[in-house]
Amino acid sequence: DTGVSQDPRHKITKRGQNVTFRCDPISEHNRLYWYRQTLGQGPEFLTYFQNEAQLEKSRLLSDRFSAERPKGSFSTLEIQRTEQGDSAMYLCASSLNLGLAGAGELFFGEGSRLTVL
Amino acid sequence: AQTVTQSQPEMSVQEAETVTLSCTYDTSESDYYLFWYKQPPSRQMILVIRQEAYKQQNATENRFSVNFQKAAKSFSLKISDSQLGDAAMYFCAYRTGIQGAQKLVFGQGTRLTINP
Repeated sequence: DTGVSQDPRHKITKRGQNVTFRCDPISEHNRLYWYRQTLGQGPEFLTYFQNEAQLEKSRLLSDRFSAERPKGSFSTLEIQRTEQGDSAMYLCASSLNLGLAGAGELFFGEGSRLTVL
Repeated sequence: AQTVTQSQPEMSVQEAETVTLSCTYDTSESDYYLFWYKQPPSRQMILVIRQEAYKQQNATENRFSVNFQKAAKSFSLKISDSQLGDAAMYFCAYRTGIQGAQKLVFGQGTRLTINP
């Protein structure tokens, strides 16, 4: 499978615990995005990377959230001291930045569903 | 800030019939892109169709076509000859045309049911 893969697919945790999600983008894609999707809503942008540089962060990304893409390949999204309001699907997407030719299509993973009890 | 509104939480259509999903958006920009994404249950989101704002011609992809009304800021999706596999959540999305900016702003989604 050469698509975007996310792990784990499901995570149940207790309030106050830390969780980490991993995203492996399509190998030649230089851009990677994280979105959050709550039940019955559309995805909301959290952050994105070009290679290893984090270029933009949403105000939704509180201090308890941190994302990394250390070698410009896979990315991790860590949530510290989880709260019940963090329960959501966390979606990863990747694309190939085409420079002046514009942005390529976003390819999404299946998501990591977080349930905070 | 740009916003995208999908006013139909749910729609249903008989198999082989045609259905139209509505989307409106708000922006002060003149250069932007609009998208329709499909999210089947427990599956990843996939791009259905894309429209560049500078293009007057409506985009078409096989059974999927859009009605892009730039002045009205409306971007509806028409699915012809509906098939059972079309059942999914459909999201309308906006992206600025500013070079380098790629984040998408999504609507709330429309759940489409296909009745056999």
